[in-house]
Amino acid sequence: AQSVTQLGSHVSVSEGALVLLRCNYSSSVPPYLFWYVQYPNQGLQLLLKYTSAATLVKGINGFEAEFKKSETSFHLTKPSAHMRDAAEYFCAVSGLVYNQGGKLIFGQGTELSVKP
Amino acid sequence: GAGVSQSPRYKVAKRGQDVALRCDPISGHVSLFWYQQALGQGPEFLTYFQNEAQLDKSGLPSDRFFAERPEGSVSTLKIQRTQQEDSAVYLCASSLFVGATSNEAQHFGDGTRLSIL
Repeated sequence: AQSVTQLGSHVSVSEGALVLLRCNYSSSVPPYLFWYVQYPNQGLQLLLKYTSAATLVKGINGFEAEFKKSETSFHLTKPSAHMRDAAEYFCAVSGLVYNQGGKLIFGQGTELSVKP
Repeated sequence: GAGVSQSPRYKVAKRGQDVALRCDPISGHVSLFWYQQALGQGPEFLTYFQNEAQLDKSGLPSDRFFAERPEGSVSTLKIQRTQQEDSAVYLCASSLFVGATSNEAQHFGDGTRLSIL
């Protein structure tokens, strides 16, 4: 079984400040982990993915995430927030399970607000 | 290039009516997924197709929900005798899934917002 927990449904930062969005996972098989961003009335856009090649993953728009197996975590960070980063962020896990094609299990989401 | 296209973007129906939601995946993408996203929640898996074969429908909430992908491209999600709890955004995603790995990123459409009155 797989699950994802995102700590904090709302995070507010000032423009230029560090962004840290937390994600912990549970998986009975080696996990693949993803971060997606969702802007209002739009679908989900992939920020980055972990597929066991490297524990530190760099994504689009300056975001990165580090896979820590010992902590079962995959937290998303960005050194300096921009106003355009305000959106909903989802962490998701999938696993190598026959005939499931990589269906995603999502966390509840974290809404990021950026103050000027 | 064209992304995943969903139609209609918005659908309002009266309780008890049947609705059909369409998904046009990225050309050549083998895998197609449907998710349901309730207000303020993360998306939840409904069903998965590999080409025309529906390999996993474990997330469909009731037998009122039915999905098909007859030619391995366009997919339709049908909901019969709609109920108010069916109100949600329905997201479609496709991926270039080859082989046994499941790390291919899924590309999402903008969704269909379904409101049941």
